[in-house]
Amino acid sequence: AQSVTQLGSHVSVSEGALVLLRCNYSSSVPPYLFWYVQYPNQGLQLLLKYTSAATLVKGINGFEAEFKKSETSFHLTKPSAHMSDAAEYFCAVSHYGNNRLAFGKGNQVVVIP
Amino acid sequence: DAEITQSPRHKITETGRQVTLACHQTWNHNNMFWYRQDLGHGLRLIHYSYGVQDTNKGEVSDGYSVSRSNTEDLPLTLESAASSQTSVYFCASSDQGLADVYNEQFFGPGTRLTVL
Repeated sequence: AQSVTQLGSHVSVSEGALVLLRCNYSSSVPPYLFWYVQYPNQGLQLLLKYTSAATLVKGINGFEAEFKKSETSFHLTKPSAHMSDAAEYFCAVSHYGNNRLAFGKGNQVVVIP
Repeated sequence: DAEITQSPRHKITETGRQVTLACHQTWNHNNMFWYRQDLGHGLRLIHYSYGVQDTNKGEVSDGYSVSRSNTEDLPLTLESAASSQTSVYFCASSDQGLADVYNEQFFGPGTRLTVL
């Protein structure tokens, strides 16, 4: 079975500071990994995805994530937080031939002015 | 523009009533999914469909059913609503594409359901 772990349900970051959200996965086969963002009262929007090409993946809004097989991790970063980054972020995993997603519990990001 | 819509956006119902949540997509996607979102649980898969007349159970399917009679729609039915089914429900769709390519899921805006 595939799963992801996101620690720390709420993350506070100062405006202009580094955003770091951790995601560790468990998968018996090579995974596809994703980060989604959910703004208040909206559906989910894809930030970025890893599908076995480059291990450093760049996404929208200045976010990027690095796939590290040895650490079974796919952490999300952004060098400088903006007020508009306040949202909930979900890590998800799928694998080859399977279009289903298994989501982590999410991180609620609060940006402090 | 192609889109995925859900209706109603908000619903209040009583325990024991049958409730149907609608999901409609205009991308002509083969794959459609229903999730529920609860605090502390993230999104959990309820049911999914890979095409017309195909339906499959997800990890939290008890008390829910779906049917797929055309490509565009995947309605979710709560046969006898329970308070534990109070949640926000999201529908998503994705293209079938090539077997070795993951195709992005596009999400609807969600339906907030309250069961009293």
